[in-house]
Order: sequence, then structure tokens, then C-alpha cells
Amino acid sequence: EAQVTQNPRYLITVTGKKLTVTCSQNMNHEYMSWYRQDPGLGLRQIYYSMNVEVTDKGDVPEGYKVSRKEKRNFPLILESPSPNQTSLYFCASSSSGGAYEQFFGPGTRLTVL
Amino acid sequence: QKEVEQDPGPLSVPEGAIVSLNCTYSNSAFQYFMWYRQYSRKGPELLMYTYSSGNKEDGRFTAQVDKSSKYISLFIRDSQPSDSATYLCAHAGGTSYGKLTFGQGTILTVHP
Repeated sequence: EAQVTQNPRYLITVTGKKLTVTCSQNMNHEYMSWYRQDPGLGLRQIYYSMNVEVTDKGDVPEGYKVSRKEKRNFPLILESPSPNQTSLYFCASSSSGGAYEQFFGPGTRLTVL
Repeated sequence: QKEVEQDPGPLSVPEGAIVSLNCTYSNSAFQYFMWYRQYSRKGPELLMYTYSSGNKEDGRFTAQVDKSSKYISLFIRDSQPSDSATYLCAHAGGTSYGKLTFGQGTILTVHP
């Protein structure tokens, strides 16, 4: 089944404890992206990757890191999480070569205490 | 000014009604315009996208883009309770095909 998977789906952590949210797609898509969704602010793009070893900032990259060492995986790294990073995170991928026609994962709900 | 403005609603309509969802955007450089649907506790799913101005129809759904007025619309004919969801407009393109900007989303409820 074609899908984007995210792990973990739910995470509660404490301020400053490094964490990684994994994202994997099995559709051989070149493009992948991360978003956060907050009430009243909607979905906002954090980082995106047009291909392996090619990443770029979205609208809200501060406090996040990404890497794209292989096509199927695009992990999101929070080196020192803070409470304002409490949010619902979505990973997405696309075969179109760009941001349109994206296929989203199920989401990761992160709480930083 | 936000890049994409969308009335958050909520919007409540009876089953069978025609629904009109609208967005405005500020940057005329964008070429791709999308509508996503998001059910509660799920990831967004792409309904349809259009390139530049014009209409696109898919079953009961019609997307319309008017670049001259920077207006994006989604029409749902014969709305069903299963259409109850949050609808998000978005645009991409411009200086980077990788960047995607969403509107806030409109919460739609179709009651039987």
C-alpha cells in the first residue's frame, strides 16, 4: 500500500531533550516536506526537500533540523525542544517534483512540557 | 497581510446544498492552486489542483482560479454529510516549486 508513515504518532517530552520524528514513504517520491498545524494558524511549512541531499527552509524553520540522506526517509530533528514547539506535525511527499499533489502522513502529536 | 486568506467559518449547510468555499492570495507569482480536505484527526488529502487561471471539475467538486482578482474557489454540488471536514486552500510555485502555503482552513458541516 502506498503510504507515508510517521513515528512516533504521539510523543510527550520535556524541554531541551533532543528528539527525532521519522518520516518514510514507499512511493519513490523525490519531494518531501514537513508541516506543523496549530489552532488559528493553520498548516505551516517547516522544511522541504526536492531530492536527496537537497533541503530548504519553509516558513517556520527555526528550532528544527532535517536531513535527506536517502530518498524514502526525511526525519525531523528538534535539538532542544521548547513548549512553543508543541504542535501536530505532518510529513508529506510528492511525485510531481514540487509542492503540489502532496500525499500526507497521519501526523505526530508532540507535547513539550 | 497573510499570503493566503481563508474564512475559517464554521460553515453549516443542509444535505444537498451547493457549497462555496473561497480564498484570496496576495502574491501573483504563484501558479499552482490546490484544495485539500482534512477529516478530524487525519492528515490532509488532496482534492484537486489547478494550474494558473481556469476551472477544473471532478465529480461534485469544481475548483476555480481567477488570477486577475487573486481569488480561489471550491464548489461542492449536492453536498453530503460525508463532506463534513476542514477544507484548506493552498498555493505553490512562484520562486520555488518546493514552497507550499496554506490558508487557515474552513470547517464545513453538512447536516442530514
